[in-house]
Amino acid sequence: EAQVTQNPRYLITVTGKKLTVTCSQNMNHEYMSWYRQDPGLGLRQIYYSMNVEVTDKGDVPEGYKVSRKEKRNFPLILESPSPNQTSLYFCASSRDRGPPNEKLFFGSGTQLSVL
Amino acid sequence: DAKTTQPPSMDCAEGRAANLPCNHSTISGNEYVYWYRQIHSQGPQYIIHGLKNNETNEMASLIITEDRKSSTLILPHATLRDTAVYYCIVRANTGNQFYFGTGTSLTVIP
Repeated sequence: EAQVTQNPRYLITVTGKKLTVTCSQNMNHEYMSWYRQDPGLGLRQIYYSMNVEVTDKGDVPEGYKVSRKEKRNFPLILESPSPNQTSLYFCASSRDRGPPNEKLFFGSGTQLSVL
Repeated sequence: DAKTTQPPSMDCAEGRAANLPCNHSTISGNEYVYWYRQIHSQGPQYIIHGLKNNETNEMASLIITEDRKSSTLILPHATLRDTAVYYCIVRANTGNQFYFGTGTSLTVIP
């Protein structure tokens, strides 16, 4: 089954403790991206990756890192989490970037709470 | 990418057609209209997209006005499982970022 898998589904941590949210897709997609969702703000893009070893900043990259060492994996790293990073996070992938063939497939989300 | 305007909420009776409007008055010639939906706190799900012509797939129909300044997503026979937030997005193939607004919360009523 074609899917984007995020782990963990829920995560509670404390300020300053480094964490990684994993994202993996089994569709051989080149384009992957991370979003955060906060009430009243919709989904905002954090980082995206066009292909292996190619990453770039989205709208809200501060406090986050990503890496793309393999095509299928695109982990999101919070080196020193802070309470304002408490949010619902989504990973997404697509075979193509941009129209006409772009269709984003999203993971089921990671609810992060930073105390 | 141009921004969109959607009503914050709508209701629809089960079995009836749900018509969700979207205004994108500043859309450019190379920008496509995309629709996604998000059920509760699950990941958004792709529905449909189009450039100029009306489009239909197994989930919905997309009607784009001739001047392309607005569009309507039609769910022909809404079910309770269609209750979700629906996002209308305009997207250019030269744009890397993808902006989701706050969408329309559709409630299908039994």
